[in-house]
Amino acid sequence: GAVVSQHPSRVICKSGTSVKIECRSLDFQATTMFWYRQFPKQSLMLMATSNEGSKATYEQGVEKDKFLINHASLTLSTLTVTSAHPEDSSFYICSARDGTSGPINTGELFFGEGSRLTVL
Amino acid sequence: GQNIDQPTEMTATEGAIVQINCTYQTSGFNGLFWYQQHAGEAPTFLSYNVLDGLEEKGRFSSFLSRSKGYSYLLLKELQMKDSASYLCALDNYGQNFVFGPGTRLSVLP
Repeated sequence: GAVVSQHPSRVICKSGTSVKIECRSLDFQATTMFWYRQFPKQSLMLMATSNEGSKATYEQGVEKDKFLINHASLTLSTLTVTSAHPEDSSFYICSARDGTSGPINTGELFFGEGSRLTVL
Repeated sequence: GQNIDQPTEMTATEGAIVQINCTYQTSGFNGLFWYQQHAGEAPTFLSYNVLDGLEEKGRFSSFLSRSKGYSYLLLKELQMKDSASYLCALDNYGQNFVFGPGTRLSVLP
């Protein structure tokens, strides 16, 4: 099945620094990737939709200047948390769907392993 | 918009059967997915429904009724390793997935 790889799995940084998280589709091309954030004991909240070759689409309430998304190729999307603060500490998960795994628009969503960010 | 509701927590005994419900209000969707998520890990796919009815997949089955805005995940022969959160999600016409709040299931010996 389709595989999505996310790196790093854990990162600890000082307040004010920037952190980059990579998301790669290993065996399929993903024109669209999704970035979710999950706080403890809560569900996944969609932050933004990453579109290859164009600007990301951000959900309401998500600061696009703070969470920079770059989808430079069909297999790589990056999320950069700029000037991180303790309240940004969370579990960040990327995902992509493989449209070739089934009928168009019914392909399941594959998730990366997730990145746990801790800002001190 | 879309609104999805699930029970927050459930407890069941090893070997038993448990049904986790998911209700939703939405103007439309492609399909409804169920994912399992262990603490600190990414979600893993369990089952999905496009049409009304029951989809069976080993110990896991999922049911959908579009007219009632209702789905459930049925877990049979519960095992300790089934202790996890279970998320239902609506496939928003291939644009994105909207997840429910999740149900934390605890399986007791």
